[in-house]
Amino acid sequence: AQSVAQPEDQVNVAEGNPLTVKCTYSVSGNPYLFWYVQYPNRGLQFLLKYITGDNLVKGSYGFEAEFNKSQTSFHLKKPSALVSDSALYFCAVRGGSITSGTYKYIFGTGTRLKVLA
Amino acid sequence: DAGVIQSPRHEVTEMGQEVTLRCKPISGHNSLFWYRQTMMRGLELLIYFNNNVPIDDSGMPEDRFSAKMPNASFSTLKIQPSEPRDSAVYFCASTLGWGPGTDTQYFGPGTRLTVL
Repeated sequence: AQSVAQPEDQVNVAEGNPLTVKCTYSVSGNPYLFWYVQYPNRGLQFLLKYITGDNLVKGSYGFEAEFNKSQTSFHLKKPSALVSDSALYFCAVRGGSITSGTYKYIFGTGTRLKVLA
Repeated sequence: DAGVIQSPRHEVTEMGQEVTLRCKPISGHNSLFWYRQTMMRGLELLIYFNNNVPIDDSGMPEDRFSAKMPNASFSTLKIQPSEPRDSAVYFCASTLGWGPGTDTQYFGPGTRLTVL
C-alpha cells in the first residue's frame, strides 16, 4: 500500500536561511513523488516531481527536492528562504495502475512553513 | 488556459438544503478528482473519474454525497441533504492522463462551503 508521511506540522526558518521540509514514503514498485504548495485561500499548486533519473529534482520558485531511495525520503529544500515562501506544503506519492483499479494518488498531511523576516 | 474552474467560490446554506458544486477541468485533461479539505482531516480524496467514468468513489463519506461527470468539460459534486459537518473547502483537480509523466494534478481555487 502507498503512503506518505510529513513528520512536521510546522517548520520555522529565518529569511535567507536554507529550509528543509521532510517527507517519507512507502510504495510498492517505482515511486513517483510530488511536492505541491498551497497559499492561503488558494488551491494546491505543483512545485516539482520525481519520476526517474537524477536524485536531485529542481522545481518552481527555486525549490528542489532530494530523492533518497535507501531512506525512502523526498525532502523539499531551498538554499535561501523568502518570506513569500510561507505556505502549506504537501508531499504526494502516486502508485498502482488504473487498469488494475489500484491507482492511488496520496497526499501527506501538509507542513506549514513560516519564514520569519 | 484558464485552469480548473470551480463555482461557486463560496456557498453558505442551511442544514438540510441541497448543495451542488461545479467544476470545469482543463481542456484536454482526461481525469478529474474531487477533494475535501478541513483542518481536522486534512486533504481527503472523495472520488475520481477517468474519461468521464467514475473509477474510485471509496472516499465519498456517505450516500448524501454524489458526483457526476456528464461530459469531458463538466463535473458536479452534490450533497443532499447537507449537514454542518460537511462544512469544508472542496477542491477539484484534473490531470492530462494517468501515466507518470502526465498525472501532475492541477487544482481549482476551491469552493468554501459553510452549512449552518
